[in-house]
Amino acid sequence: EVQLVESGGGLEQPGRSLRLSCAASGFTFDDYAMHWVRQAPGKGLEWVSGISWNSGSIGYADSVKGRFTVSRDNAKNSLFLQMNSLRAEDTALYYCAKDIDSNWHTYGMDVWGQGTTVTVSS
Amino acid sequence: QTVVTQEPSLTVSPGGTVTLTCASSTGPVTSGYYPNWFQQKPGQPPRALIYSITNKHSWTPARFSGSLLGGKAALTLSGVQPEDEAEYYCLLYYSRWVFGGGTKLTVL
Repeated sequence: EVQLVESGGGLEQPGRSLRLSCAASGFTFDDYAMHWVRQAPGKGLEWVSGISWNSGSIGYADSVKGRFTVSRDNAKNSLFLQMNSLRAEDTALYYCAKDIDSNWHTYGMDVWGQGTTVTVSS
Repeated sequence: QTVVTQEPSLTVSPGGTVTLTCASSTGPVTSGYYPNWFQQKPGQPPRALIYSITNKHSWTPARFSGSLLGGKAALTLSGVQPEDEAEYYCLLYYSRWVFGGGTKLTVL
């Protein structure tokens, strides 16, 4: 069974940093691209970032570009999101999602984790 | 700024048929936008339904189908069930992915 388990969320002050992790199991992790998608309380979905199977291609939403960095460790079947210069508007449930393909910019997501909550507040 | 527009809400009777649409502010939606559709119920993560316009995932019920309709991506539910009541999101690719605002589907 394909499983994605996010962790690392919490309460952080504006301007500070957080690092999210996503542990993957049940599939060959390094065959697939991965994504981060977030959902602010009571709002819709927002794509945050995507990374190809070998980290050779990466994309970000304009809202996080320059502040967030996505990475992966294929040896550890793990995906990460380093979130710097946090803002109140980054408050959301952050989902890790597997892509259908090895590249993040072709097909889209199939399997999603349960998410980890990030709250940015002073 | 690129905007993906969906109907905010739709209502359908059990057993009926409903079509949700997904429009792009840049013009007609084509295959190059790789349209995806997701279903989300309260308190749950999204569940993928359709990718690349028409392709279903292994778990997607047969009553769900995707298409291009009048320059928009479309999701049609035929023979709607009460458990189809949910929020539905489309997703388009523009050199980055952009979700639509979602359609709240009520089965009544």
